[in-house]
Amino acid sequence: GAGVSQSPSNKVTEKGKDVELRCDPISGHTALYWYRQSLGQGLEFLIYFQGNSAPDKSGLPSDRFSAERTGGSVSTLTIQRTQQEDSAVYLCASSLLGGGGIETQYFGPGTRLLVL
Amino acid sequence: GQNIDQPTEMTATEGAIVQINCTYQTSGFNGLFWYQQHAGEAPTFLSYNVLDGLEEKGRFSSFLSRSKGYSYLLLKELQMKDSASYLCAGTDSNYQLIWGAGTKLIIKP
Repeated sequence: GAGVSQSPSNKVTEKGKDVELRCDPISGHTALYWYRQSLGQGLEFLIYFQGNSAPDKSGLPSDRFSAERTGGSVSTLTIQRTQQEDSAVYLCASSLLGGGGIETQYFGPGTRLLVL
Repeated sequence: GQNIDQPTEMTATEGAIVQINCTYQTSGFNGLFWYQQHAGEAPTFLSYNVLDGLEEKGRFSSFLSRSKGYSYLLLKELQMKDSASYLCAGTDSNYQLIWGAGTKLIIKP
């Protein structure tokens, strides 16, 4: 597609359940980022994938959070045993090269997660 | 530590000019981005500055002073559609983006 896509657009789940959020980056972009944005707050970096390198997981808030990127394209962010404080918008972004260059990040529309 | 500071909220009048300031502290510095985010939507790129000075793009201009750790976004001839949050993000020595909390700009008729 022309832009970054994310699914689902909205997710309501019960506390303690696992959720999977999907991101489809722009075709050909090697760098992929996951961010979390709570209501009225800035972007909180979660994890960064660049090509075949080991991901930068330094922003993941706990071991309940994990992410994969298969085939250098689609990425899945998994939150296990969700908590109410996980409620936020989860944004995915991609950029062409990553890896030490200054590039514009292109964002997807986000997944709005509500944990009841 | 690394820090990006910008005002939480600003209000301006349609047709006027507004300046949104951003101060940054990053370990190393490789430029500063401004993004626009309308409510409920994803951020979109506005500008990138790495050298001192003013860069103009139509109604929007962005300024950087590296010695002062300071940037601003200047919006002229404000339109109602400019109501949005404006996010300042600095790049550190590892080229990672450090994001500010955003400035919510409210435009009044």
